[in-house]
Amino acid sequence: KAGVTQTPRYLIKTRGQQVTLSCSPISGHRSVSWYQQTPGQGLQFLFEYFSETQRNKGNFPGRFSGRQFSNSRSEMNVSTLELGDSALYLCASSLDLTVTYGYTFGSGTRLTVV
Amino acid sequence: ILNVEQSPQSLHVQEGDSTNFTCSFPSSNFYALHWYRWETAKSPEALFVMTLNGDEKKKGRISATLNTKEGYSYLYIKGSQPEDSATYLCAFIRGYSTLTFGKGTMLLVSP
Repeated sequence: KAGVTQTPRYLIKTRGQQVTLSCSPISGHRSVSWYQQTPGQGLQFLFEYFSETQRNKGNFPGRFSGRQFSNSRSEMNVSTLELGDSALYLCASSLDLTVTYGYTFGSGTRLTVV
Repeated sequence: ILNVEQSPQSLHVQEGDSTNFTCSFPSSNFYALHWYRWETAKSPEALFVMTLNGDEKKKGRISATLNTKEGYSYLYIKGSQPEDSATYLCAFIRGYSTLTFGKGTMLLVSP
């Protein structure tokens, strides 16, 4: 069975640009969450989506946005990129909101802002 | 703001040593505690999902215990092997909120 697929794997962007990252969850998983990891920090929660609805949002500025489509695929967008947005962005999917079986993570998108 | 604390931050042991890590979390309104293993260049992989006070889970040489009343969980690795080298993350979920991760314990096992 296919895992969680994140594209692209690597990105280099310039300050001020915007970027869109994509995440395709495991088939049948309806919950998708996004996390940011920067050096020295744990996984910082960005958003959680379930059945196309944003259920929770982390403490990030409005430049960070996301959405989920009817096929459960999710995208996140970061506008007006800043150097501090350079990070590994991980997407995780779960069967339902109770996360009874844990998250399945994608391989991540490594974003570098120059 | 929920704080999930993990200790130690890093650990270097010899092959065959047994080791354990601690995860501390707020004890109120507990829902579940997760453990993940994150190997370099791979994705985090779920090890255990624990929900009940006193829960004990085991997967091969790795086991975990949970104390929700005092807000801690221990992860044990018996007879560490080089392939156990990874960062071990715990994550806490309260009520209907989302998972809050600790910063992890980085384990290095030398042959």
